[in-house]
Amino acid sequence: EPEVTQTPSHQVTQMGQEVILRCVPISNHLYFYWYRQILGQKVEFLVSFYNNEISEKSEIFDDQFSVERPDGSNFTLKIRSTKLEDSAMYFCASSGVGRGQQYFGPGTRLTVL
Amino acid sequence: AQSVTQLGSHVSVSEGALVLLRCNYSSSVPPYLFWYVQYPNQGLQLLLKYTSAATLVKGINGFEAEFKKSETSFHLTKPSAHMSDAAEYFCAVSDTGTYKYIFGTGTRLKVLA
Repeated sequence: EPEVTQTPSHQVTQMGQEVILRCVPISNHLYFYWYRQILGQKVEFLVSFYNNEISEKSEIFDDQFSVERPDGSNFTLKIRSTKLEDSAMYFCASSGVGRGQQYFGPGTRLTVL
Repeated sequence: AQSVTQLGSHVSVSEGALVLLRCNYSSSVPPYLFWYVQYPNQGLQLLLKYTSAATLVKGINGFEAEFKKSETSFHLTKPSAHMSDAAEYFCAVSDTGTYKYIFGTGTRLKVLA
């Protein structure tokens, strides 16, 4: 069964550093998403992406964040200058249609020191 | 704005007992509703979804949920708990006019031998 993959599984970085989280969505999906889950809290929507542009973003997704689909298979989330409060599990998801079922990856745990 | 409420952050049941995890949503227009399960150190796996078809939805691993518009509820049930059901369960809603999911705060299910 096709699945969403994410790398790395765990990333440790120093505050102020840039990080790029990578995701490979399911190959024929057109809609891509990033969510995050701070430890002990609920999963929160960050951004959705369709047709090479952001279709929706939350207030969390400020100028420090960006997303890109650099080629036909990868979908990345960049945090330009990480803060302590960016420490969280980041989930990538994809769907074949806009309101279709979203398939989630296993997550990347980001730890900012 | 749409919101999701999961009553009970922790639920304990005995093996073989009924599992009932509660979820209420706030929209006056029936949205799409989902239940996801998260096992330790893993991603989010879809258990079941409601997309305006049958109000009683059957999912994987013996779980089912009933959409009740009058109560704005989508509670998750399983007749007989198994030790392997111990996990965190998230209710999520996808509202009209948006593709993002809004998640509840999650319910951690513990199954006692």
